[in-house]
Amino acid sequence: DQQVKQNSPSLSVQEGRISILNCDYTNSMFDYFLWYKKYPAEGPTFLISISSIKDKNEDGRFTVFLNKSAKHLSLHIVPSQPGDSAVYFCAASANSGAGSYQLTFGKGTKLSVIP
Amino acid sequence: DVKVTQSSRYLVKRTGEKVFLECVQDMDHENMFWYRQDPGLGLRLIYFSYDVKMKEKGDIPEGYSVSREKKERFSLILESASTNQTSMYLCASKAGGWQPQHFGDGTRLSIL
Repeated sequence: DQQVKQNSPSLSVQEGRISILNCDYTNSMFDYFLWYKKYPAEGPTFLISISSIKDKNEDGRFTVFLNKSAKHLSLHIVPSQPGDSAVYFCAASANSGAGSYQLTFGKGTKLSVIP
Repeated sequence: DVKVTQSSRYLVKRTGEKVFLECVQDMDHENMFWYRQDPGLGLRLIYFSYDVKMKEKGDIPEGYSVSREKKERFSLILESASTNQTSMYLCASKAGGWQPQHFGDGTRLSIL
């Protein structure tokens, strides 16, 4: 049972336009959401996060929106740049019994920004 | 900056061998994690540790074990390597609370 879903395996966007990456989740116990970016042959890099008490968090060109009633979050990148081309992973966490905040990841969306 | 270092970028082993993957972090983080990443499957958690000598199974622990004798080091052990364990292995660490996990660059392991 996939608790975090990224239904678009890939997305292509023109440079300068907005990129919107979507993520759905099923576990209502998730209380913290993160986006990671991953280049080939590198580990994932943390991009931005949002807690369940907020509905929006912004950091420069990156904004994450959370719709708890729909169990949906999205990452907006404006304006998109060729260097943003990477695989983006959505992740969610709930406080486990060990308090370790382990993450559940989606399968990723490959973003290609076309110059 | 947090530094998570995995001992090997690429590793080739034979079926049946015992394989050790090492991970070291320099930020005194309590929590450390081992994942594998496979095409179309995303990142799947193998094991994690929230303290020295403590370990918890993740989603796919079968065929793996871990060791955490020191806070900064977390080892993943493939007891008897099999071809279906060919994968990219990623180590991560994090502080307590709502903090992100920080990843190493991964070890591309091939089992022949």
